[in-house]
Amino acid sequence: TQLLEQSPQFLSIQEGENLTVYCNSSSVFSSLQWYRQEPGEGPVLLVTVVTGGEVKKLKRLTFQFGDARKDSSLHITAAQPGDTGLYLCAGGGDAGGTSYGKLTFGQGTILTVHP
Amino acid sequence: DAGVTQSPTHLIKTRGQQVTLRCSPKSGHDTVSWYQQALGQGPQFIFQYYEEEERQRGNFPDRFSGHQFPNYSSELNVNALLLGDSALYLCASSLDPTPTYEQYFGPGTRLTVT
Repeated sequence: TQLLEQSPQFLSIQEGENLTVYCNSSSVFSSLQWYRQEPGEGPVLLVTVVTGGEVKKLKRLTFQFGDARKDSSLHITAAQPGDTGLYLCAGGGDAGGTSYGKLTFGQGTILTVHP
Repeated sequence: DAGVTQSPTHLIKTRGQQVTLRCSPKSGHDTVSWYQQALGQGPQFIFQYYEEEERQRGNFPDRFSGHQFPNYSSELNVNALLLGDSALYLCASSLDPTPTYEQYFGPGTRLTVT
């Protein structure tokens, strides 16, 4: 069974601070997505990483996929109150490489950025 | 470009009843997946439909069933509701094949079982 462990579970910081959220597994994934979810809404896709060692930047957000494709991190620079929300990592596929199927989600990180 | 839509938004049911939730995928997508998200948790995969058939299933009992229609829309049915079925039910769509596993989610249906 594939599992994803996210840490920390809760993060409460002041505006302007930097933060990193981690997503770890003992299993290999074909790809990894990061989503952001606001209360009462569905998750919104932020980024997809597919290559081991890949780094993607989206404005103040930096995403990294581990070399072995078992872990990922999300780094936010100079956090703003608008960044507040639930951040979810999700892994797709496995080392066998099918092209369809479920996403396995971590339990999420609740981020609160205080003005 | 229409995104994923779900109905109803909220639903309150009594234990033992049956419920049907509906989903229309993003324009151009042909695959629909359903997830259950308990409060404070990440979504859990229920099943995925492609070409009107269930292609993959998670660890959910047979009380959870689904259907996909020729226009790619989908329904999730839950029989004999339990209090523990209270959750946000999310529908996600994608275009097969999806080697990146990207899925796009709807706003969800909040089901409360009393």
